Amino acid sequence: QSALTQPPSASGSPGQSVTISCTGTSADIGAYNYVSWYQQHPGKAPKAVIYGVTKRPSGVPERFSGSKSGNTASLTVSGLQPEDEADYYCSSYAGRNKLLFGGGTKLTVL
Amino acid sequence: QVQMVQSGSELKEPGASVKISCKTFGFTLSDHALNWVRQAPGQGPEWMGWMDTNNANPTYAQGFTGRFVFSMDWPVRTPYLQISSLKAEDTAFYYCARGSRLADNYFDYWGQGTLVTVRS
Repeated sequence: QSALTQPPSASGSPGQSVTISCTGTSADIGAYNYVSWYQQHPGKAPKAVIYGVTKRPSGVPERFSGSKSGNTASLTVSGLQPEDEADYYCSSYAGRNKLLFGGGTKLTVL
Repeated sequence: QVQMVQSGSELKEPGASVKISCKTFGFTLSDHALNWVRQAPGQGPEWMGWMDTNNANPTYAQGFTGRFVFSMDWPVRTPYLQISSLKAEDTAFYYCARGSRLADNYFDYWGQGTLVTVRS
């Protein structure tokens, strides 16, 4: 069982918006602004799409955005594209050399 | 450009050891922390810990002490992950990941992963 809780699946049609949640506790997501989101296509390594809760790495499309409220972080993908179909994982620092990941959400573009 | 290239897949019997390399290109390794991440088939990633690339000082996450060793081959500045007394549950992809200098606790480049399969 993963430390951060994500829905196992999410879906949307091309052009639509989808939001994926990541629920933690007051000891991790609620305590630190060190939430990252990683996209993973089958057979590939994870690739960061959001870091520091809201920041986008260079080269990541603007349609990816992140937010946080209390103990829950969210990743929103606006204007869905077929290439956004992938697994998405959240991660959060949890203090004292502890970094947690979520169990992942499979995003399907219908 | 930045690249992190890991050694190839390994098939090991229970009780054996494995050593995975992570060759880095296109950046100064000592400017970044070097992290190791495990991902079992169909599961989310697990952070195993990190190594200070200036002195090879390792920090292991809970659950990754004892059988797991992070090291550095200094002449070629190549990080390694060694796992001893392998168990079936160690079957997973193992990734090295570079700690970003833009923010803490964020990995901006990853190796391609090394699949370790443990079976008799």
